Amino acid sequence: ETGVTQTPRHLVMGMTNKKSLKCEQHLGHNAMYWYKQSAKKPLELMFVYSLEERVENNSVPSRFSPECPNSSHLFLHLHTLQPEDSALYLCASSRSGHGYNEQFFGPGTRLTVL
Amino acid sequence: GESVGLHLPTLSVQEGDNSIINCAYSNSASDYFIWYKQESGKGPQFIIDIRSNMDKRQGQRVTVLLNKTVKHLSLQIAATQPGDSAVYFCAENGWTSYDKVIFGPGTSLSVIP
Repeated sequence: ETGVTQTPRHLVMGMTNKKSLKCEQHLGHNAMYWYKQSAKKPLELMFVYSLEERVENNSVPSRFSPECPNSSHLFLHLHTLQPEDSALYLCASSRSGHGYNEQFFGPGTRLTVL
Repeated sequence: GESVGLHLPTLSVQEGDNSIINCAYSNSASDYFIWYKQESGKGPQFIIDIRSNMDKRQGQRVTVLLNKTVKHLSLQIAATQPGDSAVYFCAENGWTSYDKVIFGPGTSLSVIP
């Protein structure tokens, strides 16, 4: 295991549901990330949190709402999603700050929107 | 704009042979590059990295080569094993205000026993 855990591992939801993805890191890192991985596409960065402050939001639709209550936990709240939002959602963490920091990834949540 | 891309989407190699996975990047200001391996059902895992002040870096059975002149990056895997079967991503992580990694589309490596 990489020290980054994600729950649930699989999620099926309807377009009118509200659900949340959870990520937890046990590595003492200060930055956390959400990525979307769709079939045959590069990893897409969605959000970055550094020291619990959101520092990056890559034009993600408002139906995705991140939350970072502390440096160890990251959530992605989902509301009225579309079928095209079905993908693997990956959480990552790193030491943060400037410089060359390896990102450690969780196993992902496989999301299916019906 | 910035982009990091891979030349070949798939690669099949015989077990025991060496594998070479290539990557091109377009941002000449990039100064840090990483190779990640993603096995089925798992998140990407760090393999090896290289800074722009280096041309070559070796790990255990892996070597990364950086050619800044042509903005090309490669990953060499020696004596490829079945456990090496995975998707490999090159990624660019520059010295920016925030940790932001730009990933290429990935190359799928299949090892033939």
